[in-house]
Amino acid sequence: DTGVSQDPRHKITKRGQNVTFRCDPISEHNRLYWYRQTLGQGPEFLTYFQNEAQLEKSRLLSDRFSAERPKGSFSTLEIQRTEQGDSAMYLCASSLSRGPTEAFFGQGTRLTVV
Amino acid sequence: AQKVTQAQTEISVVEKEDVTLDCVYETRDTTYYLFWYKQPPSGELVFLIRRNSFDEQNEISGRYSWNFQKSTSSFNFTITASQVVDSAVYFCALSASRGDTGRRALTFGSGTRLQVQP
Repeated sequence: DTGVSQDPRHKITKRGQNVTFRCDPISEHNRLYWYRQTLGQGPEFLTYFQNEAQLEKSRLLSDRFSAERPKGSFSTLEIQRTEQGDSAMYLCASSLSRGPTEAFFGQGTRLTVV
Repeated sequence: AQKVTQAQTEISVVEKEDVTLDCVYETRDTTYYLFWYKQPPSGELVFLIRRNSFDEQNEISGRYSWNFQKSTSSFNFTITASQVVDSAVYFCALSASRGDTGRRALTFGSGTRLQVQP
């Protein structure tokens, strides 16, 4: 296993279009997180899964955003009716749930909405 | 609410200089974890260290060392004899177990960009 994998790495879309990102976590990790990072800022928490259950969503996650993790493996993050303010790096991370373990991050998907 | 403050936006040093990156945190939780991550130009966040709130021992790993002081809510990071490859953005982060979900999501600071000049 080579780590957390995200696809695509880059996405340019027109305002109003829908986009979907995929994250494949480290295989034995049952916790999966999505973060958003804008230029010059640290990552901000969006949502969290433990196995297939979405346990928490940030207030940053508007109704246009939806995340799924079917079967507790890979996860998808969909943004509907994209806006220019959605332009950011979307980071996925995974970790074990036993004890306080560090999260391992993917390389992110950079979204540009034009 | 949790908050992490990295007051230094950007630091520039010459190779072989020592440099300290500051991190101050706020949390009401009694059990929490502190982290440092490195983000090189490639974009991937690389884990450097984790400390829990009950362990205030300083730690050294090669050229890296960390000073955790609960009394001042600080978790500073020192790079000794900096190298050009240390150039990156460094993030301090805080995680606390919250309620039943125990989500342990990270609250990040805004990062410190370190530039090491040859």
